[in-house]
Amino acid sequence: DVKVTQSSRYLVKRTGEKVFLECVQDMDHENMFWYRQDPGLGLRLIYFSYDVKMKEKGDIPEGYSVSREKKERFSLILESASTNQTSMYLCASSTPQGSSYEQYFGPGTRLTVT
Amino acid sequence: GQNIDQPTEMTATEGAIVQINCTYQTSGFNGLFWYQQHAGEAPTFLSYNVLDGLEEKGRFSSFLSRSKGYSYLLLKELQMKDSASYLCAGSRDDKIIFGKGTRLHILP
Repeated sequence: DVKVTQSSRYLVKRTGEKVFLECVQDMDHENMFWYRQDPGLGLRLIYFSYDVKMKEKGDIPEGYSVSREKKERFSLILESASTNQTSMYLCASSTPQGSSYEQYFGPGTRLTVT
Repeated sequence: GQNIDQPTEMTATEGAIVQINCTYQTSGFNGLFWYQQHAGEAPTFLSYNVLDGLEEKGRFSSFLSRSKGYSYLLLKELQMKDSASYLCAGSRDDKIIFGKGTRLHILP
């Protein structure tokens, strides 16, 4: 079974803290993605990666960075957390093989910045 | 543009049929996804249409018209567990662009 795991389900951090969100997939997928999901705004792409050490900005990269040192692991970093980064963060992975790019999602991390 | 539009909320009755529409205003989409997301959980894959027409999968069917930029998800024999958000999403290369989702309420 496909599996994407995220390091925490719930996280509370203070304004200004550096925050690391970890995502691991065990499907040997090339592509990995970080989204945030907010009521009324849907899923918005923050960053994605097609391969190890590669990263591409999504629609809302400001205030975030990412790291992909190993194929199975994709980390999202909030350099200095702010209250407007309180959100549900979802990681996903996919493979470009075949005609479908179906994304498999992790369970999500609900981050609260106080 | 990349707008994907779908209704914000819908209500239907247990045992009935409901159709959730999705329109998109972009060229370059390889295909159209539908995902289901229960409250507090991650989205899960329902269907992917790359060709025009209807694809049936049990109680769920998905339709695509590429020339009209239109898709719908059809849910038959509704069950209470179908209460969820349904996300329409277009695929372009390795990326997926998501709509804001339709929250479906099922009444007993």
